[in-house]
Amino acid sequence: EPEVTQTPSHQVTQMGQEVILRCVPISNHLYFYWYRQILGQKVEFLVSFYNNEISEKSEIFDDQFSVERPDGSNFTLKIRSTKLEDSAMYFCASSVRGPNTEAFFGQGTRLTVV
Amino acid sequence: AQSVTQLDSHVSVSEGTPVLLRCNYSSSYSPSLFWYVQHPNKGLQLLLKYTSAATLVKGINGFEAEFKKSETSFHLTKPSAHMSDAAEYFCVVSDHGSSNTGKLIFGQGTTLQVKP
Repeated sequence: EPEVTQTPSHQVTQMGQEVILRCVPISNHLYFYWYRQILGQKVEFLVSFYNNEISEKSEIFDDQFSVERPDGSNFTLKIRSTKLEDSAMYFCASSVRGPNTEAFFGQGTRLTVV
Repeated sequence: AQSVTQLDSHVSVSEGTPVLLRCNYSSSYSPSLFWYVQHPNKGLQLLLKYTSAATLVKGINGFEAEFKKSETSFHLTKPSAHMSDAAEYFCVVSDHGSSNTGKLIFGQGTTLQVKP
């Protein structure tokens, strides 16, 4: 069964460092998302990506964040200069048709900023 | 704006007894609603979805949910809990805002504990 895969499963980084979280969405999906879950809090939307551009982003997704689909298969989230409060589980998701359809999620990357 | 509220942060049941996880939604539009489950150290897995077809929706692993517009509810049920059902459950609504990008809005989650 096709699945969304994320690497690494766990990333520890020092404050101020850049991190790249990687995702391989399901191959025929057209809509891509990043969500995050800070420990003990809700899953929050970060950004959606369609047709090679950002279609929506949340207030959380500031200039420190960027997304890219560099080669037609990978979908990456970059945090330019990490802060302690970026520590969270980051989930990548993809869907076939976007609105009103279910999204398929990866297992997540746990980012710890020290 | 769309939102979901999960009424219980923690539910504990005995194995073999019914499960009820409660969810209320708020939406200006006809909503698309989902339940996702997250087992420890696993990703988010879709249990079931409601997208304006039948109001009683059947999902995987014996779970069901009923969409009740008059009560703005989408409660998740299962007749008989199994130990493997112990997990975190999320009620989710698809955002119908102006961008309509398929963004999902999550409830706070309900931890289901199943006792032997």
